[in-house]
Amino acid sequence: GAVVSQHPSWVICKSGTSVKIECRSLDFQATTMFWYRQFPKQSLMLMATSNEGSKATYEQGVEKDKFLINHASLTLSTLTVTSAHPEDSSFYICSGGASGGPLQETQYFGPGTRLLVL
Amino acid sequence: AQKVTQAQTEISVVEKEDVTLDCVYETRDTTYYLFWYKQPPSGELVFLIRRNSFDEQNEISGRYSWNFQKSTSSFNFTITASQVVDSAVYFCALSEDEETSGSRLTFGEGTQLTVNP
Repeated sequence: GAVVSQHPSWVICKSGTSVKIECRSLDFQATTMFWYRQFPKQSLMLMATSNEGSKATYEQGVEKDKFLINHASLTLSTLTVTSAHPEDSSFYICSGGASGGPLQETQYFGPGTRLLVL
Repeated sequence: AQKVTQAQTEISVVEKEDVTLDCVYETRDTTYYLFWYKQPPSGELVFLIRRNSFDEQNEISGRYSWNFQKSTSSFNFTITASQVVDSAVYFCALSEDEETSGSRLTFGEGTQLTVNP
């Protein structure tokens, strides 16, 4: 159990376009979802935390108008990178956390999305 | 503020050697969770273990073992008889809020383990 999927796995886009990344919990209800960004040979940096049905909480330094997060259901969260620029090129990873039961207090990660902005 | 330190940036061993990955953490809370994740070249993070702050028992799972010592704020990870497939980046992480499902994690910088044949 505790499988998280992400789509797409790879995306290449032109500078100035917007890109949407989907994160789905396949076999559990993710009451909380997290979005991370990871640059090559670096650790994961938390971008934002979202709870189903409420606005996301962004980490310091993360532009909420640039990285739009929607967590409309207990199994789906989306991250939209608006007006992407080459410096937004990175590996974006989502994770889901469940309330109650054996999955509580552990985050399960999606396979990640590699974004390349030309 | 919480912090996780993985002092070993890269480790290279020969297959069948034992290897220990170090993790030291800082937190003001008395209740917290510690994690280890594996990130192979494909990029997906694989959950390995979760340990809560009240459980100091060491754990063994196959070739993997974990040594949790609150006195030194360490949560080290040992791979016995390493294999080439163990090559990956390993992250240690800390979560402080036990009452919030899927609490935010603070990651260490990761240790790149390379197991050579």
